[in-house]
Amino acid sequence: DAKTTQPPSMDCAEGRAANLPCNHSTISGNEYVYWYRQIHSQGPQYIIHGLKNNETNEMASLIITEDRKSSTLILPHATLRDTAVYYCIVRVPHRGSTLGRLYFGRGTQLTVWP
Amino acid sequence: EPEVTQTPSHQVTQMGQEVILRCVPISNHLYFYWYRQILGQKVEFLVSFYNNEISEKSEIFDDQFSVERPDGSNFTLKIRSTKLEDSAMYFCASQPIHNSPLHFGNGTRLTVT
Repeated sequence: DAKTTQPPSMDCAEGRAANLPCNHSTISGNEYVYWYRQIHSQGPQYIIHGLKNNETNEMASLIITEDRKSSTLILPHATLRDTAVYYCIVRVPHRGSTLGRLYFGRGTQLTVWP
Repeated sequence: EPEVTQTPSHQVTQMGQEVILRCVPISNHLYFYWYRQILGQKVEFLVSFYNNEISEKSEIFDDQFSVERPDGSNFTLKIRSTKLEDSAMYFCASQPIHNSPLHFGNGTRLTVT
């Protein structure tokens, strides 16, 4: 079921940018890339999503390559509270339905150190 | 900011007992989900629900599981006869329109003894 590949862990100094990569080489033309994070067994928290253009919101930026086979989540100024597991998810439609389940992989454990 | 709320935060039950996990989705959201996460494992999809019926369910969601939206505000997950392996965090999520992000609650930790 895995449609995305992420490094198991990364670390980053507080105040620096955290760049989290994700490969999704089998992505289809109409599939969005979503990023969520999970802080210490809390519920997954939505960060950002995109289809083919780069996106930015108050939490992060999402850079999607032109061929859409990979993306990078950027936290511009990481803080200690950004320590979490980050999930890159490709939304899979179900039988043409737009609901689609989210497949959570193992994600990337990001540790921000002081 | 509105949020999905789940109760109880922790439920302990004996094997074979029925449990009902409760969720209040964000008002005006139309799509509802249950996911679970066994300790140390991935977050797994259980079921999606729209227009008062199940839209999709996973292989995990067998006859022991059922969902209901009894009163237009609550969304419940019932496990009829719990097993030890049902011990997990159960997350409810809701979504306003299709292709929009899911909003998750903080989960109910179910412990089956």
